[in-house]
Amino acid sequence: QVHLQQWGTGLLKPSDILSLTCAVYGETFSSSSWSWVRQPPGKGLEWIGEVHYNENTDYNPSLKSRVTILVDTSKNQFSLMLTSLTAADTAVYYCARGPAMVRGEGMDVWGRGTTVTVSS
Amino acid sequence: SYDLTQPPSVSVSPGQTASIPCSGDKLGDKYVCWYQQKPGQSPTLVIYRDNKRPSGIPERFSGSNSGDTATLTISWTQAVDEADYYCQAWDSGTVVFGGGTKLTVL
Repeated sequence: QVHLQQWGTGLLKPSDILSLTCAVYGETFSSSSWSWVRQPPGKGLEWIGEVHYNENTDYNPSLKSRVTILVDTSKNQFSLMLTSLTAADTAVYYCARGPAMVRGEGMDVWGRGTTVTVSS
Repeated sequence: SYDLTQPPSVSVSPGQTASIPCSGDKLGDKYVCWYQQKPGQSPTLVIYRDNKRPSGIPERFSGSNSGDTATLTISWTQAVDEADYYCQAWDSGTVVFGGGTKLTVL
């Protein structure tokens, strides 16, 4: 059974860099795509980006200039970096398996979420 | 950018059928997924590829997608189904979520 464990710094200051990591257990990283999704307090879900099985990446156009998703296949982990933080980046950040556009498959396994607060 | 529009809230009586719409330009030409999220929990995939249910999701959950509207239907709605529901599709290789609908079971 696939399980995702995520971690990272929860309290950051404006202009800091957010760094989160998600470890994949129970599946080889290269067998799926892997995403980051965030949810500001009291608001809806926002897709940040994904890394595909071949390590290519796609990003939300609204965040693309500040986002990097990195992969460490030797550790079966993928990471999120988000630069130039502002209070608007305060959210719960989730990692997830999927989606797969060609097959219409959604994000079927999710991490527990990491609360990130950006405040001076 | 591509927008998916959902009503902020839908109410239903226990045992009745709840329908949650999601609208977008030519949405029927795209695959749609649906997620359920309860307070303090991570989202759960309840429908993929317009109308397929993942393992473990009750048969009460079904989906359809045609024209500009996709619909999540919950038959014989139970109190445990009270949650936020999000539709999701793809546009130009990027993932788009709807704004979410709060389902209240009165």
